[in-house]
Amino acid sequence: QSVLTQPPSVSGAPGQRVTISCTGSSSNIGAGYDVHWYQQLPGTAPKLLIYVNSNRPSGVPDRFSGSKSGTSASLAISGLQAEDEADYYCQSYDSSLSGFYVFGTGTKVTVL
Amino acid sequence: EVQLVQSGAEVKKPGESLKISCKGSGYSFTSYWIGWVRQMPGKGLEWMGIIYPGDSDTRYRPSFQGQVTISADKSISTAYLQWSSLKASDTAMYYCARRGRAGDDYFDYWGQGTLVTVSS
Repeated sequence: QSVLTQPPSVSGAPGQRVTISCTGSSSNIGAGYDVHWYQQLPGTAPKLLIYVNSNRPSGVPDRFSGSKSGTSASLAISGLQAEDEADYYCQSYDSSLSGFYVFGTGTKVTVL
Repeated sequence: EVQLVQSGAEVKKPGESLKISCKGSGYSFTSYWIGWVRQMPGKGLEWMGIIYPGDSDTRYRPSFQGQVTISADKSISTAYLQWSSLKASDTAMYYCARRGRAGDDYFDYWGQGTLVTVSS
């Protein structure tokens, strides 16, 4: 059972902008812990996409951006491309009994 | 180049034991925590536990405590995830991942995954 809630799916046409929300609580995002995002292309391992709320690792296009406010965070993909079709997961740290690192429920992005 | 290379797919019967591996290269293996993440078929990511190969300090998610054992052999830069008695419900893809630098709580490099299938 995940403590970070994401919408199961979002979709958009090529070139559009989509956003994915990640809702937590006072024991994780709301406690000030950072949020990170991962992209999992079909059949592959997750890849770090955004770290510490809004930072992109080298090689990640600037179409991807992240933000955090209160007990929630968001990932935005602008100029949606076919190769962005993947599952996306948020991740944070949780200080409750669920222990340490927690992932979001995951969101499937479909490019129409 | 940082790499985490995991052992190959396994097919086991319920009750059997198993140990899968994750070999790190391209960085100081003893200086970064290595985590294990489970992904059951068609499901999301679950953090299982983490080890610091430098001193073998290990932490488990409560729901995995006692169900698996995480270890590391720093002499060969390899972390392990093992089961003493597999169940059908252990069928999943298992990933190892390197946690970022001290103070960072994200996973910056991932192994390719090891598929474990438990079936009679």
